[in-house]
Amino acid sequence: QLRLQESASGLVKPSQTLSLTCTVFGGSVSSRAYSWNWIRQSPGKDLEWIGNIYDRVTTDYNPSLKSRVTISVDRSKNEFSLKLSSVTAADTAVYYCASSVLDYRNPMDVWGQGTTVTVSS
Amino acid sequence: IQMTQSPSSLSASVGDRITITCRTSQKINNFLNWYQQKPGKAPKLLIYTASNLQSGVPSRFSGSGSGTDFTLTISSLQVEDFATYYCQQNYGVPLTFGGGTKVETK
Repeated sequence: QLRLQESASGLVKPSQTLSLTCTVFGGSVSSRAYSWNWIRQSPGKDLEWIGNIYDRVTTDYNPSLKSRVTISVDRSKNEFSLKLSSVTAADTAVYYCASSVLDYRNPMDVWGQGTTVTVSS
Repeated sequence: IQMTQSPSSLSASVGDRITITCRTSQKINNFLNWYQQKPGKAPKLLIYTASNLQSGVPSRFSGSGSGTDFTLTISSLQVEDFATYYCQQNYGVPLTFGGGTKVETK
């Protein structure tokens, strides 16, 4: 049974880089059977898909964030990560990692519990 | 792909039948999923590919539709169903979500 757990992040200063990791339990992050996603939800607002990685190295990013986002896999730690650069208060949100089978054409059926990130000086 | 979900909120009682609609800005075949979210929790997949019930989800939940118009129906609302529901398309990237429908007690 696949389970995902985001790292705790907390507070990030404006203009800095937000870094989160998602540890995969019950499966391998190296497996081509899954796509690994990041989604965020601003306070009281909509869910926003940030991007994903699949086939170990192939990434898709939301165009609204593409210039600031990097998603990658760390096989040695069985985790995948999100880096979002040049953050502003608008990046304050709950960040979720989620998985889907193979690629984005399958639903995100396993989610982490979410981690709250606040951007503030 | 823009997602328009309605209503944004509704008030209902236990036992009611409720329907939530989701309209997409272009045809997405059946690449439409429904999620339930409770406060402080991650979204939970209910329905995938428009009408397929996710394992472990009660049969009172059902989905239908194709093309650009989709519905989520709860046949007999239970106490544990008071939550916010989101549609989401996975026809193309970026994946997008509807604005949510909050189901509240009447």
